[in-house]
Amino acid sequence: DAGVTQSPTHLIKTRGQQVTLRCSPISGHKSVSWYQQVLGQGPQFIFQYYEKEERGRGNFPDRFSARQFPNYSSELNVNALLLGDSALYLCASTPGIDYGYTFGSGTRLTVV
Amino acid sequence: KQEVTQIPAALSVPEGENLVLNCSFTDSAIYNLQWFRQDPGKGLTSLLLIQSSQREQTSGRLNASLDKSSGRSTLYIAASQPGDSATYLCAGDTGNQFYFGTGTSLTVIP
Repeated sequence: DAGVTQSPTHLIKTRGQQVTLRCSPISGHKSVSWYQQVLGQGPQFIFQYYEKEERGRGNFPDRFSARQFPNYSSELNVNALLLGDSALYLCASTPGIDYGYTFGSGTRLTVV
Repeated sequence: KQEVTQIPAALSVPEGENLVLNCSFTDSAIYNLQWFRQDPGKGLTSLLLIQSSQREQTSGRLNASLDKSSGRSTLYIAASQPGDSATYLCAGDTGNQFYFGTGTSLTVIP
């Protein structure tokens, strides 16, 4: 079975630009969540979606938005990029609360 | 706000040694606790999941325990190997959000 897949794997953007990151969950997993991991720190929660509805939002500015599609895949959008947005963005999926999370390999975003 | 602390931040041990990694959280209202391994520049690999009704999980040389009343979890690694070198992260699940610690960087010296 395919795991959680994220695209692209690496991305370089200029300050002020917009970026879209994509995530495909494991088949049968209806919940997707997004995390930002800055070098040397643990991942920070950004969003969680379940059945296309937002179930949780972390302490991130409105420049960050996300959505989940009918096939349960998800996109994370970041507008007006700042240098501080440079990080590894991780996506995780789960079939439900008692099953734990499976993470993708992440998208490395560099803002210059 | 839930805060998760991992001690030690870094650990270097000779091959074959048994070791314990510690994780503590400020709010005992977590549902599940999961331990992950992260290799440099890579995503997270799940090691052990302690579900809400459990106190302990074992997989091979790994054993994790959870004491919600004290807000602590430990990961025990037996007979460490150089391939165990990585960063180990614990994460508490509140039901709609994972709170991660900053990790323990482990180096196992051959």
